[in-house]
Amino acid sequence: EVQLVESGGGLVQPGGSLRLSCAASGFTFSSYEMNWVRQAPGKGLEWVSYISSSGSTIYYADSVKGRFTISRDNAKNSLYLQMNSLRAEDTAVYYCARDPTAWGQGTLVTVSS
Amino acid sequence: EIVMTQSPATLSVSPGERATLSCRASQSVSSNLAWYQQKPGQAPRLLIYGASTRATGIPARFSGSGSGTEFTLTISSLQSEDFAVYYCQQYNNWPPLWTFGQGTKVEIK
Repeated sequence: EVQLVESGGGLVQPGGSLRLSCAASGFTFSSYEMNWVRQAPGKGLEWVSYISSSGSTIYYADSVKGRFTISRDNAKNSLYLQMNSLRAEDTAVYYCARDPTAWGQGTLVTVSS
Repeated sequence: EIVMTQSPATLSVSPGERATLSCRASQSVSSNLAWYQQKPGQAPRLLIYGASTRATGIPARFSGSGSGTEFTLTISSLQSEDFAVYYCQQYNNWPPLWTFGQGTKVEIK
């Protein structure tokens, strides 16, 4: 069974940093592209970032470019999102997703003083 | 960036009736289109991918159609558990920049 489990969310002050992790199991992680998607409270879904299976190709949404860094460790079957210079508008549930058929349950990030 | 536009924003339907939701892409996404259902406090649940393929465990009353820029999600006979927000998503092959519609809320009439 494919499983994606996010962790690392929490409360952080504006300007602070947080690192999210996504543990993958039930499939050959190193063969798949991965994504982060977020959803602000009461709002719709927003794609955040993409990373290729090898990690060599990366894309970001304009809203996070220059502040967030996606990475992966195929030996540990893990995906990461390093979030720096956090703003109130980054408050959201963050999901890791392999493709439309495989999403995690999300981790909540709250940016507030 | 491919913009996805869903209509209507809110759909009021009586239980047992048919619901038709629309999604339009600003440029062709071929059949790289998914539909999700989301209830409060829950992660999105995949209903349809490839524009018309039901995901595992999804009841037959959910069906998807379309290709290119125009897509439709049909719920043939609404059940109480179907009242939720529905999102469409394009996942066109390259560049791999997913975009989502703004959502359609299906509410009880």
